Amino acid sequence: RKEVEQDPGPFNVPEGATVAFNCTYSNSASQSFFWYRQDCRKEPKLLMSVYSSGNEDGRFTAQLNRASQYISLLIRDSKLSDSATYLCVVNAGSSNTGKLIFGQGTTLQVKP
Amino acid sequence: NAGVTQTPKFRVLKTGQSMTLLCAQDMNHEYMYWYRQDPGMGLRLIHYSVGEGTTAKGEVPDGYNVSRLKKQNFLLGLESAAPSQTSVYFCASSSLPGVAYEQYFGPGTRLTVT
Repeated sequence: RKEVEQDPGPFNVPEGATVAFNCTYSNSASQSFFWYRQDCRKEPKLLMSVYSSGNEDGRFTAQLNRASQYISLLIRDSKLSDSATYLCVVNAGSSNTGKLIFGQGTTLQVKP
Repeated sequence: NAGVTQTPKFRVLKTGQSMTLLCAQDMNHEYMYWYRQDPGMGLRLIHYSVGEGTTAKGEVPDGYNVSRLKKQNFLLGLESAAPSQTSVYFCASSSLPGVAYEQYFGPGTRLTVT
């Protein structure tokens, strides 16, 4: 079983749609959770951190369920510019190395 | 502020050749990482460093060596390139780990081994 699993998609949605991505992780000791965004042939960049209480940044909402070891990302009112691959990321357990474990990514294509 | 830079951006090697990829960061970060990214595999950690003069193995270290002689630089070496090492290589850095653990990535090096 992969340490971080995501549905690779692709998700093809029209502009204005709401889309949700899911992610599960296997290490119950993980303490930090993130969504990164990666545009085609570019480097990953932090989209948002994910907190236990859930957090929102404009059209983006992230949720964490520690009991189920499940993370989600909701994008409302999708824009063409949201087309990218979204990477679910968790820290590698309780080690103090800053190591991160990346999911394989979910590809989103927003159509006009 | 350049952030994280990588050289070269592209390289084609023949099997058995060697090369060094250079990563440099100007954010005074303690932690640096080398990843490879292959289609459908996500980012996999090759080696990492928690400070100047220290290195450690990641998930897929075989065939690679690293050095961190200066805090701002992290070098990745391929001693004898193999076609299986065709990939996109990303370097990343982060400050001392806290709650966020955010990593900042360089633009990547696209390596093809024929």
